[in-house]
Amino acid sequence: GAVVSQHPSRVICKSGTSVKIECRSLDFQATTMFWYRQFPKQSLMLMATSNEGSKATYEQGVEKDKFLINHASLTLSTLTVTSAHPEDSSFYICSARGGGDYNEQFFGPGTRLTVL
Amino acid sequence: GQNIDQPTEMTATEGAIVQINCTYQTSGFNGLFWYQQHAGEAPTFLSYNVLDGLEEKGRFSSFLSRSKGYSYLLLKELQMKDSASYLCAVADSNYQLIWGAGTKLIIKP
Repeated sequence: GAVVSQHPSRVICKSGTSVKIECRSLDFQATTMFWYRQFPKQSLMLMATSNEGSKATYEQGVEKDKFLINHASLTLSTLTVTSAHPEDSSFYICSARGGGDYNEQFFGPGTRLTVL
Repeated sequence: GQNIDQPTEMTATEGAIVQINCTYQTSGFNGLFWYQQHAGEAPTFLSYNVLDGLEEKGRFSSFLSRSKGYSYLLLKELQMKDSASYLCAVADSNYQLIWGAGTKLIIKP
C-alpha cells in the first residue's frame, strides 16, 4: 500500500514555542491531505483538509491562526502549532489520499506532542 | 446531522469469531471504510465497501447494507494481535470521512 511518513514522531516543547510537523507521501502524489488530532481513548478528530496549492479548510472550532497548514507540493504538507500550550498536547496524525484503489486515506505514523 | 454508531468495547476469545457492527446516518454515501488502530499508533486501512454485500479478505470480512445504513466487520480465528480499536468511517457526498468513535476489541486467551 501507499506509504505516508510523518516527522517528528515525538516532540516535547516548552509552552509558548512553535512546533512544525511534516507529512510526506513517499510513493504517490497526494491530492488531498488531512490533519487529525486524537486525545487519549478518544476517536480521531479532523482538524483540517488541505489540497495542494490552496488554503486549508478548517473544521469548526479549530483556530487557523494557531494551527498553520501548508501544502506546498503533492507530497508534502506541514502543520505548525504556534505558541503551543499544555492543552495542545495530543497525538497528531496526518493522512493522504490519492494512492489507493478506493480513494482511501493512508495515515502517517503520528506525532506525539507534549507541551510542558 | 451525521452520525456513526459502533459499540465502545467488545471482548472475545482467541481463536473465536467476532462481529463489530456499525450503523450510520450521513448526508450522501460514497463508501464505508474499516480501519484498525493499535494503541499509540495510527490507523491502518482494512476494507472498503460501496456496494451491498460481503467483501472477504483473509480472516477479515466486511459487510454492507446501504438500505439499512449498516455494516459489520467480521474477524475470524482471532489472534492476540487483533486486540486493537476498529474504526468505522463513511465517505459522505463530499468524500469527507465521517468517523465513528471506534470499538476497542479485547482478545482473551
